[in-house]
Amino acid sequence: LAKTTQPISMDSYEGQEVNITCSHNNIATNDYITWYQQFPSQGPRFIIQGYKTKVTNEVASLFIPADRKSSTLSLPRVSLSDTAVYYCLVGDNTGFQKLVFGTGTRLLVSP
Amino acid sequence: GAGVSQSPRYKVAKRGQDVALRCDPISGHVSLFWYQQALGQGPEFLTYFQNEAQLDKSGLPSDRFFAERPEGSVSTLKIQRTQQEDSAVYLCASSLPVGTSTDTQYFGPGTRLTVL
Repeated sequence: LAKTTQPISMDSYEGQEVNITCSHNNIATNDYITWYQQFPSQGPRFIIQGYKTKVTNEVASLFIPADRKSSTLSLPRVSLSDTAVYYCLVGDNTGFQKLVFGTGTRLLVSP
Repeated sequence: GAGVSQSPRYKVAKRGQDVALRCDPISGHVSLFWYQQALGQGPEFLTYFQNEAQLDKSGLPSDRFFAERPEGSVSTLKIQRTQQEDSAVYLCASSLPVGTSTDTQYFGPGTRLTVL
């Protein structure tokens, strides 16, 4: 499973766009990129998944360059409730996927 | 519909006691995972079930840890002779198997175990 590197923490203010970049230099051909969000006292929650280019859903956008060695999670117009830990994971998209979490990025959104 | 539920939410044990943590996965999900999350760290994989079969237990830290899912639904993680280093949040997740539309894992809220 490819190792990922992401910033330990980020700070932002309400209404701003937040971009969290994750490096995964050793990503394999079959690997997908998945982001999870975790609030205090809760389990991680799936946000978005992609393989290449751009993926957008109601929560976030995921930008993946052609070489796929990095990815950027974009959160538009964050609110206080977006304060959480964000994990970038890389792995193949088979039925059994043992998720390998790093330490994640702690995002703090202030008023 | 209901998500993954876990009980108890909090458990305090004296060192040396045995504990049992329960996970109720989403109905119809055949894959079930257990993770351990230490304070300030990301979750770490413990074990995986597909239906009642335990297909991977490579993450269990010692033979004091035992997991079962006898009927392919509810799962129990048992820790015998608890030690202080077992203090962590234990997360359960479930997902659909290969061939379905998504392999997303849905996590429960976790059980916070504190060993004194």
